[in-house]
Amino acid sequence: GENVEQHPSTLSVQEGDSAVIKCTYSDSASNYFPWYKQELGKRPQLIIDIRSNVGEKKDQRIAVTLNKTAKHFSLHITETQPEDSAVYFCAASKGQAGTALIFGKGTTLSVSS
Amino acid sequence: NAGVMQNPRHLVRRRGQEARLRCSPMKGHSHVYWYRQLPEEGLKFMVYLQKENIIDESGMPKERFSAEFPKEGPSILRIQQVVRGDSAAYFCASSLQQGTGEQYFGPGTRLTVT
Repeated sequence: GENVEQHPSTLSVQEGDSAVIKCTYSDSASNYFPWYKQELGKRPQLIIDIRSNVGEKKDQRIAVTLNKTAKHFSLHITETQPEDSAVYFCAASKGQAGTALIFGKGTTLSVSS
Repeated sequence: NAGVMQNPRHLVRRRGQEARLRCSPMKGHSHVYWYRQLPEEGLKFMVYLQKENIIDESGMPKERFSAEFPKEGPSILRIQQVVRGDSAAYFCASSLQQGTGEQYFGPGTRLTVT
């Protein structure tokens, strides 16, 4: 079945450093790739997404890249701040966008000041 | 502009009882998705519904679990005869329409089975 692998499972960085989280997916029909941030005990929050017709998207300190040929996509956070500390999940659509999302197992990001 | 609402936020049930989880989508959203999150794990898709229709239930266990999204009122995820392994956080998400992709999550219901 569909699968999304996410690495690393934990990531510790110093404030101001960059953080990169990588995901690979198996369903070649996937065309929508969102990233969610989840703080302890809270709901997952959509922070950025990318569709298969673009290779990169930026929003302030956050960027996402997509390589459809290799079936992988990455989240880049620059100038990290302590409030970036959370669990980050990547996801891929099960086929066309608007259907179920298949999630990775998450990356726990810790930013120390 | 209220977001996705879920209730109850916490639910404790004894083994063998029924659990009913409710989800009200964002205003104007007609697509609802249910996900389950076990401790220290990612979210697992369970079921995707539109008003009065189940579109995809491939992630839902065949027995004891059911879901509905009636014409009026919230979407309901029902778990009959709960077992300890059902203890988890259950999140629903909603989207505006199929094809936009963006799913917004509710605060979740944390189910504990004793």
